[in-house]
Amino acid sequence: EADIYQTPRYLVIGTGKKITLECSQTMGHDKMYWYQQDPGMELHLIHYSYGVNSTEKGDLSSESTVSRIRTEHFPLTLESARPSHTSQYLCASSALTGESEQFFGPGTRLTVL
Amino acid sequence: GDSVTQMEGPVTLSEEAFLTINCTYTATGYPSLFWYVQYPGEGLQLLLKATKADDKGSNKGFEATYRKETTSFHLEKGSVQVSDSAVYFCALSDRSNTGKLIFGQGTTLQVKP
Repeated sequence: EADIYQTPRYLVIGTGKKITLECSQTMGHDKMYWYQQDPGMELHLIHYSYGVNSTEKGDLSSESTVSRIRTEHFPLTLESARPSHTSQYLCASSALTGESEQFFGPGTRLTVL
Repeated sequence: GDSVTQMEGPVTLSEEAFLTINCTYTATGYPSLFWYVQYPGEGLQLLLKATKADDKGSNKGFEATYRKETTSFHLEKGSVQVSDSAVYFCALSDRSNTGKLIFGQGTTLQVKP
């Protein structure tokens, strides 16, 4: 069973606040990913990482930033939340080989008022 | 670029009906193909996968066959249950070092008793 965790599961916050969404995995995976899922359920890759000190922007432009200081931890930060950031955020990880499946966390549902 | 197209949803079926969710892809090379399932309020779970042409992935009564000639990976189940109600995503891995998955737009399945 996959061991990837996200906190908080739900967050309601006011405009202008700084927030950090946490993602941790205990599988020792080198690759980690952040997806944004819109109300129509479509998934958009916004950030990914090959390993420690590696971060890349995904296919969808995002005002969020990420860091990868430890293998198991891949937090996502919004410096100043806006209503347009309201969405579901999913974190995933995979092993280093190219064909490995991705394991997903349960997601964080963010609402910015 | 690579892409995945799924049949439009929602799909509504009665319990014990036969299920087909169509998925076609466009890719250079020979990608690995996946079906993921997302139950309400949860992250994505891998349902099945196939890594080369003519491979059949199967799990929990679901099946899909990698058809290179028609660039398809249709999901089927002979007899659906209410508990199968979820959103289903078809995806391909581009086999590059990024390990990125390209997802279809998702198909919502609702099974009625």
